[in-house]
Amino acid sequence: EAGVAQSPRYKIIEKRQSVAFWCNPISGHATLYWYQQILGQGPKLLIQFQNNGVVDDSQLPKDRFSAERLKGVDSTLKIQPAKLEDSAVYLCASSLGSNTDTQYFGPGTRLTVL
Amino acid sequence: QQQVKQSPQSLIVQKGGISIINCAYENTAFDYFPWYQQFPGKGPALLIAIRPDVSEKKEGRFTISFNKSAKQFSLHIMDSQPGDSATYFCAASSTSGTYKYIFGTGTRLKVLA
Repeated sequence: EAGVAQSPRYKIIEKRQSVAFWCNPISGHATLYWYQQILGQGPKLLIQFQNNGVVDDSQLPKDRFSAERLKGVDSTLKIQPAKLEDSAVYLCASSLGSNTDTQYFGPGTRLTVL
Repeated sequence: QQQVKQSPQSLIVQKGGISIINCAYENTAFDYFPWYQQFPGKGPALLIAIRPDVSEKKEGRFTISFNKSAKQFSLHIMDSQPGDSATYFCAASSTSGTYKYIFGTGTRLKVLA
């Protein structure tokens, strides 16, 4: 089966610019996650969707980050305006359902903010 | 209380040796503990996972040991191979509520040929 798809793979922007990332989960997976992975650290959950509803966005910096999952399938994560500290790899993952289902990760988008 | 502490930060092992990575947690609500393996430029991939109703789980060369009273768990890689060179992350989650995965800070493993 096809894995989690993400695009773009790399993005370089100036601070205060905006950027968007796209994720297509594994077909049939109800739960979709966006993680931020700063160099040398473990992934940190930004937002979790169950179908097209938000389950957890407690660590999403809502003043600059937004995410949506239209029709409960693919998802976009947007940063506007970007800050230097947003430089990280943004990982999308999906799972069939609950917290204990295996989470399958995409390859990530490496964002560099200059 | 949400943290998962992982050590060591990096590890160098000879081919054929045993690699051991340790994690500790505080939140007693955690009841699911997966380990992920990440190669450069790739997303993390599930390696093995354990629940606290067992003290050990083995899959091939990979074993998780779990100590519920000490709130610690560890990954043992037996007969380590150069292809095992990667970054390993432990994580913890709760099967109740909406607890997300809390990941450790990662261990970069290098297996020398």
